Amino acid sequence: AQSVTQLGSHVSVSEGALVLLRCNYSSSVPPYLFWYVQYPNQGLQLLLKYTSAATLVKGINGFEAEFKKSETSFHLTKPSAHMSDAAEYFCAVSADTGNQFYFGTGTSLTVIP
Amino acid sequence: NAGVMQNPRHLVRRRGQEARLRCSPMKGHSHVYWYRQLPEEGLKFMVYLQKENIIDESGMPKERFSAEFPKEGPSILRIQQVVRGDSAAYFCASSPGTSGANVLTFGAGSRLTVL
Repeated sequence: AQSVTQLGSHVSVSEGALVLLRCNYSSSVPPYLFWYVQYPNQGLQLLLKYTSAATLVKGINGFEAEFKKSETSFHLTKPSAHMSDAAEYFCAVSADTGNQFYFGTGTSLTVIP
Repeated sequence: NAGVMQNPRHLVRRRGQEARLRCSPMKGHSHVYWYRQLPEEGLKFMVYLQKENIIDESGMPKERFSAEFPKEGPSILRIQQVVRGDSAAYFCASSPGTSGANVLTFGAGSRLTVL
């Protein structure tokens, strides 16, 4: 079975500061990992995904995430926050067995001018 | 190439009425997932369907909720005798196949308000 834990339901950063959103996963099989972003009143959009290739994954809008098996983590980072990054971010895990996707509870990112 | 289409975007029902939410997957996608989102609770999995088959409904409430994905037409999430606690955003997502590496593509959601 798989599960995802997102630490910090709300994160605030200043514009231009580093963004770090945490995600830890649990999986009994090699996982696939995803980060999605949700803007107000919209559906979820894919930011990036890890599928067992490079452990450092680059996504859209300057975001990236690093898969660390030893820490069972897949934290999302961006070097410099922009006002337009304010949104809800979801981490998700899946596997080839069961074809099920499990989402974290989300982290709301606020960017302070 | 249209994405995942959900309708209606907003639905208002009185307690005891029925709500029907529709989802047309992306072209070429044969797998549909339904999720419910409540404020501060993230996305809760409800049901996973392929054409004419329910693969996993472990997240569906045992009563009043049902889902289908017929051979022709959209997937439908049906809520009978709605109660205030059913008020939420319901998201549909589709994927092209059975691999967990496949990306879920989400619709914009249907927001149900029960008065």
